[in-house]
Amino acid sequence: AQKVTQAQTEISVVEKEDVTLDCVYETRDTTYYLFWYKQPPSGELVFLIRRNSFDEQNEISGRYSWNFQKSTSSFNFTITASQVVDSAVYFCALSEESRDDKIIFGKGTRLHILP
Amino acid sequence: KAGVTQTPRYLIKTRGQQVTLSCSPISGHRSVSWYQQTPGQGLQFLFEYFSETQRNKGNFPGRFSGRQFSNSRSEMNVSTLELGDSALYLCASSREGGTSYNEQFFGPGTRLTVL
Repeated sequence: AQKVTQAQTEISVVEKEDVTLDCVYETRDTTYYLFWYKQPPSGELVFLIRRNSFDEQNEISGRYSWNFQKSTSSFNFTITASQVVDSAVYFCALSEESRDDKIIFGKGTRLHILP
Repeated sequence: KAGVTQTPRYLIKTRGQQVTLSCSPISGHRSVSWYQQTPGQGLQFLFEYFSETQRNKGNFPGRFSGRQFSNSRSEMNVSTLELGDSALYLCASSREGGTSYNEQFFGPGTRLTVL
């Protein structure tokens, strides 16, 4: 069954701390795509990254980095030197080639960055 | 370049009524996807339209329908509203079809309240 689990419902950290958001997925497909989205208080989802199942390279974009490990079915997201503007709900998502792009989202992790 | 726009932003209806939500994609984008976000079920994929054709559909009852016009604008209709349809409805557009392969740009959403 296709499933995305974000076990951390809510996290609070003090500004400038590093924080890692966990994402564990389940799939039987060999070809699939993983995503992270940010939803700030305004409500619009903002695309952060897409990774396909054949690309296990970790990625860094500024203060953001992603660790994709197929062996543990995890796609974790780390924010380094967090800032108050990082406060948002973050969603991990999965789509499988066999399911014709029916993207499934995790429940989200609400991140509070305290000044 | 204008982003994805959704109208109306807020809507209050009563049970049994029907509602139509509108989404205007970014200029040049041919795909529009719709999502429902509720506290209980989280973010769920409703359907995707590409070149005026429904490309994909999530697990929602037939009361939820949509269409796309030749200018790529899309409407979503919910008939015989139920209390459980109260949600934030998000629309996303992308250049081509397929939520796996194309970056999606989200609108601010329509907040529907069913009384």
